[in-house]
Amino acid sequence: SQQGEEDPQALSIQEGENATMNCSYKTSINNLQWYRQNSGRGLVHLILIRSNEREKHSGRLRVTLDTSKKSSSLLITASRAADTASYFCAHGGANSKLTFGKGITLSVRP
Amino acid sequence: ETGVTQTPRHLVMGMTNKKSLKCEQHLGHNAMYWYKQSAKKPLELMFVYNFKEQTENNSVPSRFSPECPNSSHLFLHLHTLQPEDSALYLCASSQVGTDTDTQYFGPGTRLTVL
Repeated sequence: SQQGEEDPQALSIQEGENATMNCSYKTSINNLQWYRQNSGRGLVHLILIRSNEREKHSGRLRVTLDTSKKSSSLLITASRAADTASYFCAHGGANSKLTFGKGITLSVRP
Repeated sequence: ETGVTQTPRHLVMGMTNKKSLKCEQHLGHNAMYWYKQSAKKPLELMFVYNFKEQTENNSVPSRFSPECPNSSHLFLHLHTLQPEDSALYLCASSQVGTDTDTQYFGPGTRLTVL
């Protein structure tokens, strides 16, 4: 399977804390993307990091990519209750098809 | 709003019914996708259309029949479904040929097969 894996599968933190989520993949990639999904809704693109980049920031989001380890991490700083959602990593190859992981359920307690 | 709409949002159907899901994208993209999302399982890619041509069919049973009349519209025709087909069906679009392949998702159709 070319599918990636995220860990942990579930994460529960207190509002204000940082949340770190990890993703591993198995194939060579052009880029790696993180998406968010609120319960029963569609996925929303959060951030993309290209294979030649190591770190990227967007607001409270920080994503890193280590192609030698085939892994990425998403850090959400100063979490809010509204960050409660499922988070997915997806990697893109040469054919523009994305392969999604199983997702991480993040709960932020107010 | 992501620029991708799906109707209906909820659908309950019997195993002998025939229904269709509709997806429309207002982003000018040239590729559209159907995904199935079941509880506790990864997102499953079902079909891919590039420039209205089907380029991927991930061994989807024939009771699911996609149709892409133009680059803005995508349908999923359903007939004689099984209860295990109950899931959230997500449509997405992207612009193929750029150096990124970000997909934009619709809100999904929650399908329940009785």
